[in-house]
Amino acid sequence: QSALTQPASVSGSPGQSITISCTGTSSDVGGYNYVSWYQQHPGKAPKLMIYDVSNRPSGVSNRFSGSKSGNTASLTISGLQAEDEADYYCSSYTSSSTLRVFGGGTKLTVL
Amino acid sequence: EVQLVQSGAEVKKPGESLRISCKGSGYSFTSYWISWVRQMPGKGLEWMGRIDPSDSYTNYSPSFQGHVTISADKSISTAYLQWSSLKASDTAMYYCARRGFNYYYMDVWGKGTTVTVSS
Repeated sequence: QSALTQPASVSGSPGQSITISCTGTSSDVGGYNYVSWYQQHPGKAPKLMIYDVSNRPSGVSNRFSGSKSGNTASLTISGLQAEDEADYYCSSYTSSSTLRVFGGGTKLTVL
Repeated sequence: EVQLVQSGAEVKKPGESLRISCKGSGYSFTSYWISWVRQMPGKGLEWMGRIDPSDSYTNYSPSFQGHVTISADKSISTAYLQWSSLKASDTAMYYCARRGFNYYYMDVWGKGTTVTVSS
């Protein structure tokens, strides 16, 4: 069981928007603005998409956005494209001895 | 170009030892943490631990403390993940990733090293 809870799967049609949630506790997501999101295509390494809750690294499409409310962070992808089909993982700093936790991952299917 | 180049796939038997590597290039190796992340077949990402290459200070996730050793040789910009006695349950993909000292995200990842442990 992962420390952060994500839905196992989400889906959407091209052009639509989807949101992936990531629920933690006050010791991680809720306590710090250190949530990051990673995209992983099959057989590939993870890629940083969002850091510090809502910041995009250079080169990441502005169709990707992040937010947080309480103990839940969210990743929103607007204008879905076929290339967005991948697994998405949230991660957070945690004050526990684990230091860093990941969500279980969400498989995004573009219909 | 900033990159982390990991060593190749390994096939080992239970009880054998193993060390895999992660070489950084295109940046100051001692200015970033190197973390190791495990991904078991068909499963999610798990943070194992990290090392400060400048002084080899390490932190481990409690789940991996005592089971693996993280080390680094800053003279050759290389970090290592090693096992003294592999188990079948160590079969996984292992990624290294860098993290800035004042940042809380991993911005550059290696392509991963597949470790297969089977008798």
